[in-house]
Amino acid sequence: TQLLEQSPQFLSIQEGENLTVYCNSSSVFSSLQWYRQEPGEGPVLLVTVVTGGEVKKLKRLTFQFGDARKDSSLHITAAQPGDTGLYLCAYQGAQKLVFGQGTRLTINP
Amino acid sequence: EAEVAQSPRYKITEKSQAVAFWCDPISGHATLYWYRQILGQGPELLVQFQDESVVDDSQLPKDRFSAERLKGVDSTLKIQPAELGDSAMYLCASSLEALNEQYFGPGTRLTVT
Repeated sequence: TQLLEQSPQFLSIQEGENLTVYCNSSSVFSSLQWYRQEPGEGPVLLVTVVTGGEVKKLKRLTFQFGDARKDSSLHITAAQPGDTGLYLCAYQGAQKLVFGQGTRLTINP
Repeated sequence: EAEVAQSPRYKITEKSQAVAFWCDPISGHATLYWYRQILGQGPELLVQFQDESVVDDSQLPKDRFSAERLKGVDSTLKIQPAELGDSAMYLCASSLEALNEQYFGPGTRLTVT
């Protein structure tokens, strides 16, 4: 099983600030997925990135897949308290979905 | 909008007791998954069903955990006996078919005392 390393593990910032979180590996992936998990709930798929160098935007969230398809980043512009949650990256292996350990993001009003 | 249902949402049990969790997937979804998520980590697959058949239970501690999906619809995950290290969130997910997008339920938070 290939390993996904997410950083930082914890991030606490003020409302309105920008932030970037990372998902890194030494392996090459055909695609990577990003999920957000709110406290007491299951993960919800935000986006799947497929092509090396691909950039996808979801409102204030910008997802990028590395050129070599080994890493991905999530940038949030003007963070809001509603962005608080656990952000997980994952890859679809041959048989199963494999998750990183997540970045726990807290946006303070 | 169709959702994956799980019950109970919270469960506190003493070690050595038996505990069971229930999951009702989105109607028509052939593939059902049980994950365990330890605090501070990402979910880890315990067992995957395709209809009523187990297709992957390589990470299921079979000495104490069992899972079934008898009619290929809802599913039950059982732990007997529970151990302190089993304290975690147990998530159920479903997808139309394997490798399709997975939809997660709200989870059952288990605390073993």
